[in-house]
Amino acid sequence: GQQLNQSPQSMFIQEGEDVSMNCTSSSIFNTWLWYKQDPGEGPVLLIALYKAGELTSNGRLTAQFGITRKDSFLNISASIPSDVGIYFCAGQLWAGGTSYGKLTFGQGTILTVHP
Amino acid sequence: EAQVTQNPRYLITVTGKKLTVTCSQNMNHEYMSWYRQDPGLGLRQIYYSMNVEVTDKGDVPEGYKVSRKEKRNFPLILESPSPNQTSLYFCASSSASGARVEQDTQYFGPGTRLTVL
Repeated sequence: GQQLNQSPQSMFIQEGEDVSMNCTSSSIFNTWLWYKQDPGEGPVLLIALYKAGELTSNGRLTAQFGITRKDSFLNISASIPSDVGIYFCAGQLWAGGTSYGKLTFGQGTILTVHP
Repeated sequence: EAQVTQNPRYLITVTGKKLTVTCSQNMNHEYMSWYRQDPGLGLRQIYYSMNVEVTDKGDVPEGYKVSRKEKRNFPLILESPSPNQTSLYFCASSSASGARVEQDTQYFGPGTRLTVL
C-alpha cells in the first residue's frame, strides 16, 4: 500500500518557538489531513487540504498541500504547552465522489514543549 | 453528544484466546474503520466498512475479522490472538454525505490497549 514518511519523529522545543513538520508520499493523494493526538485519546482533525498548492490556517497552525500532491507540511507558530502531543499527517484518495473513509497515516511527530 | 465508544479500554489476554473489541457510534455514520497504532509506525488501517454488510481489508488485515450487521456497531474480532497483535487499537467513523470536509473528518474512539501474552 501507499506509504507516508513523516519527519521529524520527535521535537523538543521551548514555549514560544515555531514548529515545522512535513510529510512525503510515494504516490499522489488528493486530500491531505493533519491530526493531533493528545495523550490517552484518539486523533482529532486539525486541518484538511484539497488542492495542490493550497495553504490553510487554523489559528496558530498553517498547513500546505504540496504542488506535486506528494507532500504536505504543518507549521505551528508561537508554541504553547498545550501543543504537546503527537501530530499525524494523513492522505486520502477520492474516486467516484468518495474516499470510503480510507486513510493512510504517517508515523507521527511527537512534540514536547518546555515552559 | 456525538461520540465513538470502544470497549474494553484495556485488555490483557493470552495467546489463542478469542476476543472481541466493540465499537459503537451514535452519529449515523456510514463509514467505520479499525486502526492499530504502534510506536514509529503511526496508525495503520486494519479493516474498513462502507455500510452495513459491506467491509474491506485495510493495510494490515491478517489475524483480524470484522462484521457490520448494524450501522452503529463495528466489532473487531481476534480469533486467535498472538503477541504481535499487542497494540493500541482505534475505531473511527465518518459520514458518506455532506461537504467534503465532513466526509473527510474521521471521529476516533478513545482507544483500546491490548496486550497478548
